[in-house]
Amino acid sequence: IAGITQAPTSQILAAGRRMTLRCTQDMRHNAMYWYRQDLGLGLRLIHYSNTAGTTGKGEVPDGYSVSRANTDDFPLTLASAVPSQTSVYFCASSEGPSNEQFFGPGTRLTVL
Amino acid sequence: AQSVTQPDIHITVSEGASLELRCNYSYGATPYLFWYVQSPGQGLQLLLKYFSGDTLVQGIKGFEAEFKRSQSSFNLRKPSVHWSDAAEYFCAVGAQAAGNKLTFGGGTRVLVKP
Repeated sequence: IAGITQAPTSQILAAGRRMTLRCTQDMRHNAMYWYRQDLGLGLRLIHYSNTAGTTGKGEVPDGYSVSRANTDDFPLTLASAVPSQTSVYFCASSEGPSNEQFFGPGTRLTVL
Repeated sequence: AQSVTQPDIHITVSEGASLELRCNYSYGATPYLFWYVQSPGQGLQLLLKYFSGDTLVQGIKGFEAEFKRSQSSFNLRKPSVHWSDAAEYFCAVGAQAAGNKLTFGGGTRVLVKP
């Protein structure tokens, strides 16, 4: 693989269910990010990780959790999904604060 | 807190015509500025970035952007649009003081008429 992969591509989920979105990068980037994209709002940062073993909250962290056990993987978990979490989720990575972020293809999540 | 405004939600342009997309930011320190493009159903691809130095930045696909500190703007331009430029464009701002985080504008959707 090259770049960032996300899984699943899309998912329909019942409200109240737990869901983990997967993100893997093979560029050995230190920093990784999760965004959600909603019409007219652009991308909003959910959580980020500057390096393996550390995470931080972004603009819209409520209802989401992340972990960063190693450099390559950065899963995003919805503990109990709600309809307002229906969105397209993008994972990204970068080498550092002044470098461009590389984006994965996205996961389209629908919560009913 | 930093913020980014893209005033135009939609722009329609004829193929071969010029294109300018507006971006205004608000941030106290010197920002890093980016333009990304998103084709339908795809992730985001970097068009160009500004960190320091020459305020006119050249990017991929024939795009350029100019950083104007006095106007807090970073507008994207292309002299002659191709049908393949139809996409959504996002301006983003970051800063060393803000760590690795970027703030994105709401996006501008560009439609290209034949």
